Parts: sequence; C-alpha cells; structure tokens
Amino acid sequence: EDKVVQSPLSLVVHEGDTVTLNCSYEVTNFRSLLWYKQEKKAPTFLFMLTSSGIEKKSGRLSSILDKKELFSILNITATQTGDSAVYLCAVPLPMDSNYRLIWGAGTKLIIKP
Amino acid sequence: DVKVTQSSRYLVKRTGEKVFLECVQDMDHENMFWYRQDPGLGLRLIYFSYDVKMKEKGDIPEGYSVSREKKERFSLILESASTNQTSMYLCASTTMGLTDFGDGTRLSIL
Repeated sequence: EDKVVQSPLSLVVHEGDTVTLNCSYEVTNFRSLLWYKQEKKAPTFLFMLTSSGIEKKSGRLSSILDKKELFSILNITATQTGDSAVYLCAVPLPMDSNYRLIWGAGTKLIIKP
Repeated sequence: DVKVTQSSRYLVKRTGEKVFLECVQDMDHENMFWYRQDPGLGLRLIYFSYDVKMKEKGDIPEGYSVSREKKERFSLILESASTNQTSMYLCASTTMGLTDFGDGTRLSIL
C-alpha cells in the first residue's frame, strides 16, 4: 500500500532555532514529492522535488530528497513566529493522470517568541 | 495565479440536514478534488472529478456525493449531515501535479 509518513507530528521550538521536518514515503514508481505550508487557510506550495540530492532553497527554507532511502527533509533556519504552521508532504500517485496525491498527516510547528 | 474559491469559510448545520459546499476555480483546470482535513489524519480524499459530469470516489466517499455540471464548479453534498462529518473541507484544483487549494470551509454539525 502506498503511504507517506511525516515526523514529528508536532514540534515546539524557540525563535531562532533551526528545525528539520521529515517525510518518508513508500510509493511504487515514485516520481516527485511536494511540500506545502498551511497556516490558517489554504495550504500553499513550497517545493517540488524530483531528483535525489539536489537541494531546493527559498530564503530560510530548504529541502532535499533521498530516493535511495525514500525520504525528504524540510529545513527551516533562524525560525520566526511566522513560520508557525502545519507543514504537509505529498506524493503524486504514479501513473495517475488525474494527479491524485497521497498526503502525510502533517507536522504542526509552533515557534515560541 | 489560480484562484480556487470556496463559498463559505464557516458553516454550522444540524444533524440530518442536506449540506452543499461549493467550489469554483478560474483557470480552466480539468481536475478538481474535495478533501477533508482532521487533526492527526492529514488530508483525506473524498471525491475527485477529471471532467464535467465525471466523478470518482476517493478514500472516504461514504455519506458524501458530488456534482460537476460546469468545468469551473465542483460541489460537495452531505446527503444527511452527521456529527462525525464535522471537519475542515478543502477544495483543490490541479494541473500537472501542482495543487492549488481554496481557503477551506470549517463545517460544524450540531
């Protein structure tokens, strides 16, 4: 059965800390992995990863994929209270032309001032 | 930018009522989805549609139905609302694997 597992489910850190969020997957014919950030409303797209070992970066956020060990990490450096959110990881179902996604349960990140 | 609009941010209904959640997207996407989101369970797919009048069951379709009469509009229907359908409902539109979401409807069934 295809699945995506995120860890930890919740995390509380202080402003300025660095955090690492994990997403592991078991999906046959894997092609890509997506990260989203969800604050109070709609999830917003962060990264799409398709190649192993190539870091994607956006400001203080970065992400990398390991296709051998079947996981991805999302790093946030010098965290700010505005980084508090639920971070979601998803993998498109292979060979599915409708682009259905398998979602992890999310990591709820709380940044304390 | 794709805009996905859900008709209500918050909705309170009573057990047994028929409930309609509306979703409209403005980018001519074929694929549209309805999810519910519950703490610790992530996003679970209820139904999706890949064309007008076409629909497919997702992982948790029981108690729900959908309607897609026009390409831009995808409606979720709770035939007879129950308290276990209290949840956040997210509509999404997809192209080439990238998914854009509406702001969600937080539905409470009393």
